[in-house]
Amino acid sequence: GQNIDQPTEMTATEGAIVQINCTYQTSGFNGLFWYQQHAGEAPTFLSYNVLDGLEEKGRFSSFLSRSKGYSYLLLKELQMKDSASYLCAVRDLDTGRRALTFGSGTRLQVQP
Amino acid sequence: DTEVTQTPKHLVMGMTNKKSLKCEQHMGHRAMYWYKQKAKKPPELMFVYSYEKLSINESVPSRFSPECPNSSLLNLHLHALQPEDSALYLCASSRGGGEGPGNTEAFFGQGTRLTVV
Repeated sequence: GQNIDQPTEMTATEGAIVQINCTYQTSGFNGLFWYQQHAGEAPTFLSYNVLDGLEEKGRFSSFLSRSKGYSYLLLKELQMKDSASYLCAVRDLDTGRRALTFGSGTRLQVQP
Repeated sequence: DTEVTQTPKHLVMGMTNKKSLKCEQHMGHRAMYWYKQKAKKPPELMFVYSYEKLSINESVPSRFSPECPNSSLLNLHLHALQPEDSALYLCASSRGGGEGPGNTEAFFGQGTRLTVV
């Protein structure tokens, strides 16, 4: 099975940079995803990593190290609307899974 | 069109009722999923359909019965639910059902908020 860990809560200041870490253990790794979820809404896709390295998409970047079972999501120039939960999710093939398994999520509070 | 549409948005049902949740996508995705999400918890996988066939059932009680009538539609039939089944039920879809990288980004619907009384 999978074991996905991320911090429960983080607080940051508007305009700053925040890094949300995720560690995972899985036998058939086939991709790591980051989703953003505002309260009461559906998760929305932010980024995808399957190879080691950094993927940049505007204010959001995501990094993956497969050997360390580690990823982070970097949010730059924080805005108030970035207050949300950020979900790390892993796709694992070995157990026949094709779906994503989610970590418990990190609730980010952006303060003025 | 990157939309997954779920109906209804809200549903209140009694423990003896039978109801259905509906999900629709027109992105040509061949994998569709049902997730259950309790408050302040991550989505938990319930069912996976790949090419209209049930490929994963995560030990979900039989009072939840999925159905995939065609490649665009996914239903979840509910019968004799318990109050603890109250949650947000999320439908998602992704391209293909295979293993290749880059084809597994899942798009989520807005969910059905279910309350069992």
